[in-house]
Amino acid sequence: DGGITQSPKYLFRKEGQNVTLSCEQNLNHDAMYWYRQDPGQGLRLIYYSQIVNDFQKGDIAEGYSVSREKKESFPLTVTSAQKNPTAFYLCASSPRQSFYGYTFGSGTRLTVV
Amino acid sequence: GQNIDQPTEMTATEGAIVQINCTYQTSGFNGLFWYQQHAGEAPTFLSYNVLDGLEEKGRFSSFLSRSKGYSYLLLKELQMKDSASYLCAVRDSADYKLSFGAGTTVTVRA
Repeated sequence: DGGITQSPKYLFRKEGQNVTLSCEQNLNHDAMYWYRQDPGQGLRLIYYSQIVNDFQKGDIAEGYSVSREKKESFPLTVTSAQKNPTAFYLCASSPRQSFYGYTFGSGTRLTVV
Repeated sequence: GQNIDQPTEMTATEGAIVQINCTYQTSGFNGLFWYQQHAGEAPTFLSYNVLDGLEEKGRFSSFLSRSKGYSYLLLKELQMKDSASYLCAVRDSADYKLSFGAGTTVTVRA
């Protein structure tokens, strides 16, 4: 079955450590996205990529980094420079034009301890 | 950029109807989406409007007026499982990415 997989579902990190969230899709979608969601808030765009080896900053890119070496994969690294990293992180993918918008992964809940 | 507004919370009784409004301001419009999100889960697609008018899908309907920058999601015959957050999202015509409103939490009471 085609889909988009995020791992792990729950992640704990000590302050000062970098951590990488995985996102893999087998839908053959060109575009991939990372969003952050805080309680009571909507989704805020961190980074997006519309083609392999290219990506753009979203609205809240500071303290995050990404890579897009393969069409299927778009990992997100939360660096120690991100001041408030505790949040729910959602990865999504889409073809260029879609009547369904995005296909979302199941999310990763990151907690800094 | 996009500016998207929707109410924070709504409460309704099982079997009733609820209408969630969404207003937006955008530099380039390429469609409006509604998603349902249960707590701790990923959003799931409900509806898509790109032309003015009403789209009906079972108990859920969505309306769009592009000239007014306005949409609503109508939930009929409410069920307890409809208790969730409902996200309005607008797609940008330049780069096709979605911008989301903060979401409306709907609570269905017996």
